[in-house]
Amino acid sequence: AQSVTQLDSHVSVSEGTPVLLRCNYSSSYSPSLFWYVQHPNKGLQLLLKYTSAATLVKGINGFEAEFKKSETSFHLTKPSAHMSDAAEYFCVVSGGWGGYQKVTFGTGTKLQVIP
Amino acid sequence: EPEVTQTPSHQVTQMGQEVILRCVPISNHLYFYWYRQILGQKVEFLVSFYNNEISEKSEIFDDQFSVERPDGSNFTLKIRSTKLEDSAMYFCASGSGSNQPQHFGDGTRLSIL
Repeated sequence: AQSVTQLDSHVSVSEGTPVLLRCNYSSSYSPSLFWYVQHPNKGLQLLLKYTSAATLVKGINGFEAEFKKSETSFHLTKPSAHMSDAAEYFCVVSGGWGGYQKVTFGTGTKLQVIP
Repeated sequence: EPEVTQTPSHQVTQMGQEVILRCVPISNHLYFYWYRQILGQKVEFLVSFYNNEISEKSEIFDDQFSVERPDGSNFTLKIRSTKLEDSAMYFCASGSGSNQPQHFGDGTRLSIL
């Protein structure tokens, strides 16, 4: 079984303050974890990935995430929010073997950045 | 940087008609996927395709749906007899490995009238 829970459907921060988007997962496999961002009327863009290497993963646009197996979490952070960060963020877990992969999306977190 | 391209960007179709959504994955990728996102809802996995066959499909992917890789570059999703509830944004994705990130296209917005 596999699932992803994004704990907040909406997060609102002031520009220049830290961002924390929370994600918990469960998987029967040794999963890979990803964060994607979706701007309005756009496709999904990869922010960062965890695939069993370093647990602290750095991504694009100053985002990073830490894989914590004991807490089954993969929270996304950024030290200082920018107006252009306003978008919807999806945590994704992928698990399986060989050509078989089960991919599960979280329900998304809408990030609002207040000037 | 290579990208996944989807055509058309918007498709309007009468209920009951067949529709084909087209995708050109990144050229050296081997894994291909379709997802849909109904307006205001989460992204839902439809199907994954590897080595010229479906490797995984969700409950949504019923007999009305089919996928094909007709040549070395295209990956298509066909809906045989569309229903109103098929209205959604459909995303194609491709990846270089089973646990590697998927690269997404910008989507096709399908509107069923």
